[in-house]
Amino acid sequence: DAGVIQSPRHEVTEMGQEVTLRCKPISGHNSLFWYRQTMMRGLELLIYFNNNVPIDDSGMPEDRFSAKMPNASFSTLKIQPSEPRDSAVYFCASSPSGGAGEQYFGPGTRLTVT
Amino acid sequence: GEDVEQSLFLSVREGDSSVINCTYTDSSSTYLYWYKQEPGAGLQLLTYIFSNMDMKQDQRLTVLLNKKDKHLSLRIADTQTGDSAIYFCAETVTGGSYIPTFGRGTSLIVHP
Repeated sequence: DAGVIQSPRHEVTEMGQEVTLRCKPISGHNSLFWYRQTMMRGLELLIYFNNNVPIDDSGMPEDRFSAKMPNASFSTLKIQPSEPRDSAVYFCASSPSGGAGEQYFGPGTRLTVT
Repeated sequence: GEDVEQSLFLSVREGDSSVINCTYTDSSSTYLYWYKQEPGAGLQLLTYIFSNMDMKQDQRLTVLLNKKDKHLSLRIADTQTGDSAIYFCAETVTGGSYIPTFGRGTSLIVHP
């Protein structure tokens, strides 16, 4: 199994630009999570999906952030417009049915907004 | 509410045992987890323990749970330089969403 796949691994963009992060969960997993990790705030849950449906997006910082999961094998996290304070490592994780605590993380996307 | 706390740093000598500690506040925890994050990588699930257990051992890893004190520990025997990483404690709560609450992580530094 390839594990959770994220792209790109690194993204450098200028303030105001749109950024799209991509994730392919492990096949057969029915929950998908987007996290943000920074030194200041640690690991923050942004949003999670169950069976492709967004369940809780209370962690999304503001309207500039949006996430979609059009099918069981793909999800995107979009930031528009991006700001320097969005600089962080963004992780996608998936988990099997009934095992939300048993999460499998992707390698992360390191986003730098200048 | 849910809160998971860990000390930020631990430094040990290679070959010694490491003990990473975690405290949590929610007494209705169902499962408690230990994750490991190596530099430049995502979190990796190491082990977990169900809340009705006191101890779980898996090769060099020993997890101890003290429910009365809401204290969880991870012991790594014969610590190696490859064990240098950030270790996260996490819990899920009975009757909740079963989404884990993570601690801030403990950076384990192993020196020769």
